[in-house]
Order: sequence, then C-alpha cells, then structure tokens
Amino acid sequence: DAGVIQSPRHEVTEMGQEVTLRCKPISGHDYLFWYRQTMMRGLELLIYFNNNVPIDDSGMPEDRFSAKMPNASFSTLKIQPSEPRDSAVYFCASSLGGDRGHGYTFGSGTRLTVV
Amino acid sequence: AQSVTQPDIHITVSEGASLELRCNYSYGATPYLFWYVQSPGQGLQLLLKYFSGDTLVQGIKGFEAEFKRSQSSFNLRKPSVHWSDAAEYFCAVGTTSGNTPLVFGKGTRLSVIA
Repeated sequence: DAGVIQSPRHEVTEMGQEVTLRCKPISGHDYLFWYRQTMMRGLELLIYFNNNVPIDDSGMPEDRFSAKMPNASFSTLKIQPSEPRDSAVYFCASSLGGDRGHGYTFGSGTRLTVV
Repeated sequence: AQSVTQPDIHITVSEGASLELRCNYSYGATPYLFWYVQSPGQGLQLLLKYFSGDTLVQGIKGFEAEFKRSQSSFNLRKPSVHWSDAAEYFCAVGTTSGNTPLVFGKGTRLSVIA
C-alpha cells in the first residue's frame, strides 16, 4: 500500500489566491482527518470525515476554509482567499474505525507558504 | 473528554544513553494509547499502541512504553538512543467508543548529542 498520499508537497502562493490541497487515503479506511501544524499552535484537527460524510468541522478556523470528500478515495481542503497566517504544514490522515485501536496513518504533509 | 499532557517540551540526551519521554492522560475509562514520531519534514509515524492486556508494549525502532493506570501515564522508553532518534514525539489517547478523534499531546522534541 502506498500509504496516505498528499499533494502538492510544497505550495507557495500569494495572499488572496485560492489554494487546494489534496489527499488520497488508504484504501478501505473509513475515517479521514485534516490537521494543521504550526510552531505556535502545534497539531490542530481541522475537520474529519466518516464514510465520506463530514462529522465535525469545528476546528476549521474560518469560512475561508472548506473541505470535501466526494468519494472514499479523495478529499480536498480549500482555502479561499488565502492569507499569510494560513502558512503551515497541513496533514491528512486516515484510519479504520476512528480512534478505536488502529491509530492513524498520516501523509507526508503539504507545506503551505502564503506570501 | 479525554486529554493528554506531555510535560517536557524539549529533551536532550547523549547518544547511547537511555531515554524516557513522559505522557499523562485523562480519561474516565481504559483508553487506547499511542506514540507517534515525526522526523523533520515528515508526517507522523506510529511507534506503538496500547489497547489492553500486557501493560508493557513493544514498538518499532527499539521503543517500548508502559501503561500505568494508577498514574494515568504511558511513558515511552528506549534503552540506548541513536542519533537518528532525534525527532518530535507525540502521545495520543483514544476512547473505547471509537466515536471521537484521537487527542494528541503537544509533543516533545528530542535532540541527541554525541
């Protein structure tokens, strides 16, 4: 299995532009999580899905952030418009059965820089 | 709701020395517990996990952790640290209900000196 695949690995964009981050979870996993990691805040859960349905998006910082999971093998996190304070590493993770025992498999992350 | 505390933000050890990273959790029942490692520029990798049974669990890369219910702790240990162990380590707690996301600690950064 190739693991959780995220693209792009690095993204540099100008303030005000739309940014789309992509994630392909492990086949058969029924949960998908989006995290943001910064030096100041550490690892923050933004949103998670169960069987492609968003369960909790309370961690999404603002309306500028949106996430979709149109099918079991693909999810996107979109920021529109982007701001410099959105600069962070964004991780996608997937799991089988939520927090019940199997743990999460993380992707390698997307490092976003908004200038 | 469950919570996790990693009291040490940064630890420095000499190569070959033993290591113990602390993790304390708060949860009303027996939790599921995890340790993850994050090398620079990488995602988090699962080191080991505790579900039930034997309170001493073995993981990858020579790490082990011991679940102590009386102390609400799940400390990570390694008898002899290698320079390649320098990384960020995260403890996480899950619930037996399976309906809530894992809660991660803020991490402990490990530096290894010669």
